Amino acid sequence: AQRVTQPEKLLSVFKGAPVELKCNYSYSGSPELFWYVQYSRQRLQLLLRHISRESIKGFTADLNKGETSFHLKKPFAQEEDSAMYYCAPPDQTGANNLFFGTGTRLTVIP
Amino acid sequence: EAQVTQNPRYLITVTGKKLTVTCSQNMNHEYMSWYRQDPGLGLRQIYYSMNVEVTDKGDVPEGYKVSRKEKRNFPLILESPSPNQTSLYFCASSPTTSFEQYFGPGTRLTVT
Repeated sequence: AQRVTQPEKLLSVFKGAPVELKCNYSYSGSPELFWYVQYSRQRLQLLLRHISRESIKGFTADLNKGETSFHLKKPFAQEEDSAMYYCAPPDQTGANNLFFGTGTRLTVIP
Repeated sequence: EAQVTQNPRYLITVTGKKLTVTCSQNMNHEYMSWYRQDPGLGLRQIYYSMNVEVTDKGDVPEGYKVSRKEKRNFPLILESPSPNQTSLYFCASSPTTSFEQYFGPGTRLTVT
């Protein structure tokens, strides 16, 4: 069963334009969802988690239980935002696993 | 500095030659995991471990082995590597009190 879907493999936006990276999950209840980012030639790192409801590097993500979505948004994209972004809901079977989507590669065009 | 380390960072080998990729963390985390990253397929979990001597298969365990004899180390073993195991491998760890995972720098493996 597919646990998380990131429908866009590639996304390009111009600098200063709004950006939205989509994530849909197939869970019941209110999972603790994460967004991870991987900049070029770097390791994956946590960008934000919905439970903290904070904004990191201008990004926010709202959990929409009705649509089972957790889209990542930023009002004004910057060139340094170019990276690979992964949405990651947790395993609901009791293990500490995160299930990563296929990722979206964001390119911000100068 | 709290971190996850992997060695080697780059490895080119031939089909059938056994190899081990080491992973170590200094954060006293109970949970550790191995992933492979392939273009278009994202991150796929190979094996994970909830604690010492406890390991479980992930989504793509075929062709891999792991062991967890100590809390800090979680080596990935390829007994007989094949070209389809050419990939970028990441190790990660987390405390069992949190789902937040800390990743290693990655190991790029090429099997010819």
